[in-house]
Amino acid sequence: DAGVIQSPRHEVTEMGQEVTLRCKPISGHNSLFWYRQTMMRGLELLIYFNNNVPIDDSGMPEDRFSAKMPNASFSTLKIQPSEPRDSAVYFCASSRGTGGTEAFFGQGTRLTVV
Amino acid sequence: SQQGEEDPQALSIQEGENATMNCSYKTSINNLQWYRQNSGRGLVHLILIRSNEREKHSGRLRVTLDTSKKSSSLLITASRAADTASYFCATEPLGSEKLVFGKGTKLTVNP
Repeated sequence: DAGVIQSPRHEVTEMGQEVTLRCKPISGHNSLFWYRQTMMRGLELLIYFNNNVPIDDSGMPEDRFSAKMPNASFSTLKIQPSEPRDSAVYFCASSRGTGGTEAFFGQGTRLTVV
Repeated sequence: SQQGEEDPQALSIQEGENATMNCSYKTSINNLQWYRQNSGRGLVHLILIRSNEREKHSGRLRVTLDTSKKSSSLLITASRAADTASYFCATEPLGSEKLVFGKGTKLTVNP
């Protein structure tokens, strides 16, 4: 298995532009998580899905952020419009979702908003 | 909000020494997990301990869990330079399947 695949690995965009981050979870995993990592705030859980349904989006910072999971093999995190304070590394992770199982992380997308 | 808080924030030791990292959390949990992150990479799962377990071993790793104190510790024995990384604890709150991470301990093992 190729593991959790995220794209792009790096993204540099101008303030105000729309940014879309993509994630392909491990086949057979039922839970998918989006995290944001910064030096100041550490690793923050933004949203997680179970069986493609958003379960908890309380970590989504504001309405500029949205996430979708149209099927079991694909998820997107969109920021519109982007701001410099959104600069961070965004991780996607998946797990079997039965509780008490490990999460597998992608390599992350390093987003820089200038 | 952060559920787990690791202590210390940074730790520097010599190769061959043991490294101990601690984690405290706030709410009841299903389980607690420890992850490792090398610079610029994603997190990698190390070990999971369930709320009804007190101690668990995996190779050179030893994890303890004290649910009465809401705390856990990760011990790496006979450390190696390759153990240099950041270590995070993550909790799965009771009744939830989400994983909430602390801010991590940055471990440096000097050769």
